[in-house]
Amino acid sequence: ILNVEQSPQSLHVQEGDSTNFTCSFPSSNFYALHWYRWETAKSPEALFVMTLNGDEKKKGRISATLNTKEGYSYLYIKGSQPEDSATYLCASSGGADGLTFGKGTHLIIQP
Amino acid sequence: ETGVTQSPTHLIKTRGQQVTLRCSSQSGHNTVSWYQQALGQGPQFIFQYYREEENGRGNFPPRFSGLQFPNYSSELNVNALELDDSALYLCASSFDSSSYNEQFFGPGTRLTVL
Repeated sequence: ILNVEQSPQSLHVQEGDSTNFTCSFPSSNFYALHWYRWETAKSPEALFVMTLNGDEKKKGRISATLNTKEGYSYLYIKGSQPEDSATYLCASSGGADGLTFGKGTHLIIQP
Repeated sequence: ETGVTQSPTHLIKTRGQQVTLRCSSQSGHNTVSWYQQALGQGPQFIFQYYREEENGRGNFPPRFSGLQFPNYSSELNVNALELDDSALYLCASSFDSSSYNEQFFGPGTRLTVL
């Protein structure tokens, strides 16, 4: 059974500041690491799917890195904006067992 | 939005009853996964259907069952409802059953069991 941990649980960031948070996962039987952004009253939205050790992906001001050997991924947001306020979920995939999600990091951007 | 829809948006049931939740996949997707999100937890994998067959199952009892139809829409059925079944139920569709594919989520069905 995979156990995915995210930290911090919640985060308040001033508008314009940059921030990052962590996802840790068991490195054995690893297939892929998924990041999702989930805004209130909306559907979770896929940000990245990462598979290779050392992989880095970027979408606008958001980027992510992956270390499969030590079992962690970082999500970075540069120059936070109010629309970045959301819960950020990571999930590890171990094949036919679906995605195993962490509890999420709840990010609030303060104007 | 993802193009994945779920119905109903929310419903209230009593212990012992049965419930059916529905999910319409994004066009072109043949795989659907169902997740349960209890309060304060991350979504938990219930099961996955690929081309109308169950393709993987999480740690949920047999009273949680599913169906996928030829048009790849899907149902989640829960029998003998318990109070702990109160949760947000999410479905997600994907292009195929590969772990490397993005999953596209619906907005969820909020189930309350009294």
